Amino acid sequence: GENVEQHPSTLSVQEGDSAVIKCTYSDSASNYFPWYKQELGKRPQLIIDIRSNVGEKKDQRIAVTLNKTAKHFSLHITETQPEDSAVYFCAASNILTGGGNKLTFGTGTQLKVEL
Amino acid sequence: GAVVSQHPSWVICKSGTSVKIECRSLDFQATTMFWYRQFPKQSLMLMATSNEGSKATYEQGVEKDKFLINHASLTLSTLTVTSAHPEDSSFYICSARGRRGRIYEQYFGPGTRLTVT
Repeated sequence: GENVEQHPSTLSVQEGDSAVIKCTYSDSASNYFPWYKQELGKRPQLIIDIRSNVGEKKDQRIAVTLNKTAKHFSLHITETQPEDSAVYFCAASNILTGGGNKLTFGTGTQLKVEL
Repeated sequence: GAVVSQHPSWVICKSGTSVKIECRSLDFQATTMFWYRQFPKQSLMLMATSNEGSKATYEQGVEKDKFLINHASLTLSTLTVTSAHPEDSSFYICSARGRRGRIYEQYFGPGTRLTVT
């Protein structure tokens, strides 16, 4: 099955700096890579996703890059703000039309943005 | 985004009792429901996948007789933790996947905090 590794497990940055979280996956059949932000005691919230037919996607301060050859993808947050502090999870899956979409999650990164 | 609800949001039960958690997709038909478990400071671990009207598929290491999953309709799935023990205390999150237009999307419920005393 799929195995997703995520680094670092904790990340502290100063407000305004950039944060980068990296993930690797093992299954070359995976073609969908979402990133979730989870605040304590709450549900994971999808913040950005990328499919295997593109190498980069950006949404305001958040961007994701994908290297299919190396099987790794990264989350980039620029101009970090205190409200970005949360746990971030990457995930990978193989989207099947009409079928299940089993997400395999990374181990999570606790991001702390300090004033 | 679509709305997925879970009930209850938290529950405390005594060891040996059973607890039922409901997951509802409120504005779309969920052809597939996923149940996850999350221990403190850990990642989400998939427990089982269920398709409407069929038996759930459990992940390795998850006891199907202990965690009963029913997906009787396109808007409701239930997880029953039978004979709960303190080690079952965890955050249980469902995720509903369905078609909205041409795209299949997946949304998480708010989670249920289970504490077994």
